Amino acid sequence: GAGVSQSPRYKVAKRGQDVALRCDPISGHVSLFWYQQALGQGPEFLTYFQNEAQLDKSGLPSDRFFAERPEGSVSTLKIQRTQQEDSAVYLCASSVRDSRDTQYFGPGTRLTVL
Amino acid sequence: DQQVKQNSPSLSVQEGRISILNCDYTNSMFDYFLWYKKYPAEGPTFLISISSIKDKNEDGRFTVFLNKSAKHLSLHIVPSQPGDSAVYFCAAPAGGTSYGKLTFGQGTILTVHP
Repeated sequence: GAGVSQSPRYKVAKRGQDVALRCDPISGHVSLFWYQQALGQGPEFLTYFQNEAQLDKSGLPSDRFFAERPEGSVSTLKIQRTQQEDSAVYLCASSVRDSRDTQYFGPGTRLTVL
Repeated sequence: DQQVKQNSPSLSVQEGRISILNCDYTNSMFDYFLWYKKYPAEGPTFLISISSIKDKNEDGRFTVFLNKSAKHLSLHIVPSQPGDSAVYFCAAPAGGTSYGKLTFGQGTILTVHP
């Protein structure tokens, strides 16, 4: 079956632009996670959804970051007024049931802010 | 505050020999640990895990050892194969209601030479 997919795979934005990153989790997976991975670092947690409910957004670095999953499947991570420090790979992961299950990661979206 | 640390950025090993990747943690509340493997342009893939009630878990060529008193875990790959060349991350869930909030180490680049 299909894994987690993310689009676009690469995004270049000018500083100050808004961007939207999409995640399609594995069909039927209840939990969805977003991580940010800076160059040479491990992924860092951003936020977690169980179905459409955002249960943890403690990792979002500022109020410019916003995530939603309105129908409990596809999720969008939006970054407003992008800054150079937002340049990173944004990874999405999903798991079958709750947050204790194995997380399956997508390939990520590489965002470059000029 | 880096709660999970991988102090070796890279490791080079000859095919057929043992690869040992190390990970240290500071949070004594962590009770479950995972290793992920990542190829370029792909998302991390779950490899093996260990619960804190065990000190060893084995899966084929991969064995993870946990030393709770030292807050240290290691991943052994025997025998190493060129296809094992990848970035390896150790990770731990935050626990409680934030169990899915994985904290990752910085990663170790493993290169297995034919």
